[in-house]
Amino acid sequence: DGGITQSPKYLFRKEGQNVTLSCEQNLNHDAMYWYRQDPGQGLRLIYYSQIVNDFQKGDIAEGYSVSREKKESFPLTVTSAQKNPTAFYLCASNNPQGAWGNQPQHFGDGTRLSIL
Amino acid sequence: KNQVEQSPQSLIILEGKNCTLQCNYTVSPFSNLRWYKQDTGRGPVSLTIMTFSENTKSNGRYTATLDADTKQSSLHITASQLSDSASYICVVSVSSYDKVIFGPGTSLSVIP
Repeated sequence: DGGITQSPKYLFRKEGQNVTLSCEQNLNHDAMYWYRQDPGQGLRLIYYSQIVNDFQKGDIAEGYSVSREKKESFPLTVTSAQKNPTAFYLCASNNPQGAWGNQPQHFGDGTRLSIL
Repeated sequence: KNQVEQSPQSLIILEGKNCTLQCNYTVSPFSNLRWYKQDTGRGPVSLTIMTFSENTKSNGRYTATLDADTKQSSLHITASQLSDSASYICVVSVSSYDKVIFGPGTSLSVIP
């Protein structure tokens, strides 16, 4: 079955540490997205990529970085500059040329990041 | 300001009962509206999508309505089941600058 795999499910970060969240898809989708979900708030876009080797900042990119070296993979690094990283992180994908346009079509099951 | 609001914030209903969740938006210009279901600890899954010209869309026991004039949408769940316990998220797409705005969600608990 095609889908999006996020790992790890749970992650803990120490002060001053960078951590990387993995996102892999086998849907052959061109576009991939990273969202942050906090209690009582809607999902907020961190970064997105519509093609390999290209990505754009979303609404809350500060303190985060990404890479898109392969179509299947879009890892997110939470740097020490992100002062409030505790949240649920969701990766998503779609084919922008299709009926979904710019909306995420498939989501992974998320990574919950906490501070030690 | 483009915003999506949902009500109620949380809801508890008995198994077998019906319920209606509300979504109000101030997005303009409007492209489409989607409802997602998100189980605890999982990613959202799309339930329905409606464009400007559609006012009703069904997916099994889920029926979404859209009033583009009043900028309101509702999600009606018929004969609720325990597996309907989840967060329901309304998402509106802005056509002019390719932006997607997520509502905060309504947390539904179905109890036996």
